[in-house]
Amino acid sequence: DAGITQSPRHKVTETGTPVTLRCHQTENHRYMYWYRQDPGHGLRLIHYSYGVKDTDKGEVSDGYSVSRSKTEDFLLTLESATSSQTSVYFCATLGAATSTDTQYFGPGTRLTVL
Amino acid sequence: QKEVEQNSGPLSVPEGAIASLNCTYSDRGSQSFFWYRQYSGKSPELIMSIYSNGDKEDGRFTAQLNKASQYVSLLIRDSQPSDSATYLCAVTGTASKLTFGTGTRLQVTL
Repeated sequence: DAGITQSPRHKVTETGTPVTLRCHQTENHRYMYWYRQDPGHGLRLIHYSYGVKDTDKGEVSDGYSVSRSKTEDFLLTLESATSSQTSVYFCATLGAATSTDTQYFGPGTRLTVL
Repeated sequence: QKEVEQNSGPLSVPEGAIASLNCTYSDRGSQSFFWYRQYSGKSPELIMSIYSNGDKEDGRFTAQLNKASQYVSLLIRDSQPSDSATYLCAVTGTASKLTFGTGTRLQVTL
């Protein structure tokens, strides 16, 4: 498994507060992804990165921004958190976009927005 | 129509039986297919991948792919209580982005 850590693991915040979640990987994987997981919706892609400073939007990107200044770190920012962003957030990495490669997931961050 | 469809379950099977989990997908151009297992409160864990039509076996797990029918399945033989989890079907699209189904919850009863 890829060495992926996420911080914080749990966070409670208030509506309107900015929040940044961090994903750190030690595998030198090129691709990194942020998902959110909600009951009834499964895992949905928020943003992804295909290299340092190269990012793109996923399925549910509104209200989120990302940055990747180093290969090992991918940050997800909620500029002004809302209750609808209460969720479990997973980071994933992918070594190479070959047809036989796949994504490995970090442990997740549980975010509660009050 | 969701791009990847799974029955949410729960699917209940007795210990020692075969569990059969199914998944359909809408994008005919999909090339790679994955099954992840997710225990409650944990992150998804890859258990099987399949890329060509037919069956692929790994221990007690068999993945089956039928691209013409846009259908992927996972069979778990000799089901154990430790197999009780949610199983996520995922399909690769562009930029190696995965599209997930909502998952099927499997319960293995004693």
